[in-house]
Amino acid sequence: DIQLTQSPSFLSASVGDRVTITCRASQGISRYLAWYQQKPGKAPKFLIYDASTLQSGVPSRFSGSGSGTEFTLTISSLQPEDFATYYCQHFNNYPITFGQGTRLEIK
Amino acid sequence: EVQLVESGGGLVQPGGSLRLSCAASGFTFSDHYADWVRQAPGKGLEWVGRIRDKAHSYTTEYAASVKGRFIISSDDSKNSMYLQMNSLTIEDTAVYYCARGIKYTEVYYLAYWGQGTLVTVSS
Repeated sequence: DIQLTQSPSFLSASVGDRVTITCRASQGISRYLAWYQQKPGKAPKFLIYDASTLQSGVPSRFSGSGSGTEFTLTISSLQPEDFATYYCQHFNNYPITFGQGTRLEIK
Repeated sequence: EVQLVESGGGLVQPGGSLRLSCAASGFTFSDHYADWVRQAPGKGLEWVGRIRDKAHSYTTEYAASVKGRFIISSDDSKNSMYLQMNSLTIEDTAVYYCARGIKYTEVYYLAYWGQGTLVTVSS
């Protein structure tokens, strides 16, 4: 099974900051990676697919990059509504797996 | 508008069974892939399994942790998907989400999610 490791697991930042979350795969997954945002008590929200393509309606301050085994999610200028937990998920083969999550909190 | 509504969660004893439902509106379930994803209290997301669309004969895939105990199915007449959960253990306690796939390039990503239903396994 492919393991996805996110770093950091916890991130404290301020409104307006630029932040980057990394997702590393235990083996190559091409670009078959998605990113989700989840707020407490809510379902995940689909942000990015194919490692770097923004889902319709997602603000342009979100961006993704990477291929193979290393991927990043960047938020260029944090807004109050961005404080949440972020997950990566691969779709290269079965079983599909998620990263363990990165909790982004207000400093 | 695409909507997914899960139901059927509740309290069940270890070793017991439960069937979750995911009712769809705004689209035809048989035309899309769909997954179940769960989240134990205070933990991260865990993929449970997938059912492919009618064109792919509704074939299924499962995580190792549930394979042989859980079964995903669908009912065209009810435009719904189901998760039959058997031999439940305490480790199956979680909020269970259904999610609908959307095909981009070669992959079905999980673009639409229900609100989740809580399953608690406890004696």
